[in-house]
Amino acid sequence: EPEVTQTPSHQVTQMGQEVILRCVPISNHLYFYWYRQILGQKVEFLVSFYNNEISEKSEIFDDQFSVERPDGSNFTLKIRSTKLEDSAMYFCASRGSGTAMYNEQFFGPGTRLTVL
Amino acid sequence: AQSVTQLDSHVSVSEGTPVLLRCNYSSSYSPSLFWYVQHPNKGLQLLLKYTSAATLVKGINGFEAEFKKSETSFHLTKPSAHMSDAAEYFCVVSDPTGRRALTFGSGTRLQVQP
Repeated sequence: EPEVTQTPSHQVTQMGQEVILRCVPISNHLYFYWYRQILGQKVEFLVSFYNNEISEKSEIFDDQFSVERPDGSNFTLKIRSTKLEDSAMYFCASRGSGTAMYNEQFFGPGTRLTVL
Repeated sequence: AQSVTQLDSHVSVSEGTPVLLRCNYSSSYSPSLFWYVQHPNKGLQLLLKYTSAATLVKGINGFEAEFKKSETSFHLTKPSAHMSDAAEYFCVVSDPTGRRALTFGSGTRLQVQP
């Protein structure tokens, strides 16, 4: 069964460093998402991406964040200068655009980012 | 606009007894609703979903949920808890198509006592 994959599973970085989190969505999906979950808190939406542009973003997704689909398979989240409060689990999701009225988002296993 | 309220942050049951995890939602359109489960240090697993078909939805591992529009509720139930059900459960609301951002509840931690 197709699934969303994410690499790395765990990333440790120093405050102020740039990190890139990678996701490979399900191959025929066209909508892509990033969510994050700070330890012990709920999952929060960051950004959605469709047709090579951001379609929706939350207040969390400020100028320190960017997303890109550099090729036909990867979807990346970049944090330019990490802060301690960026430590969280980051989930990627993708969604198809079939003929059903509802097409669900499928989640990857997550990348745990630890900022020291 | 949409929001989700999970009424209990922690629920503790004994193995073999029923489980009830409560969720109320608010939405300006006819929503789709989900329950996800997250085991410690694991990702999100979809338990079940309501997308405007039958109001009683059956999911994996014996869980089910009933969509009650008049009460704006989508409570999760299971007749008999198992030790392996101990986890965090998230109620999630979506727009009718699934295209827009999902909104997660704050989660309910289910403990199962032997």
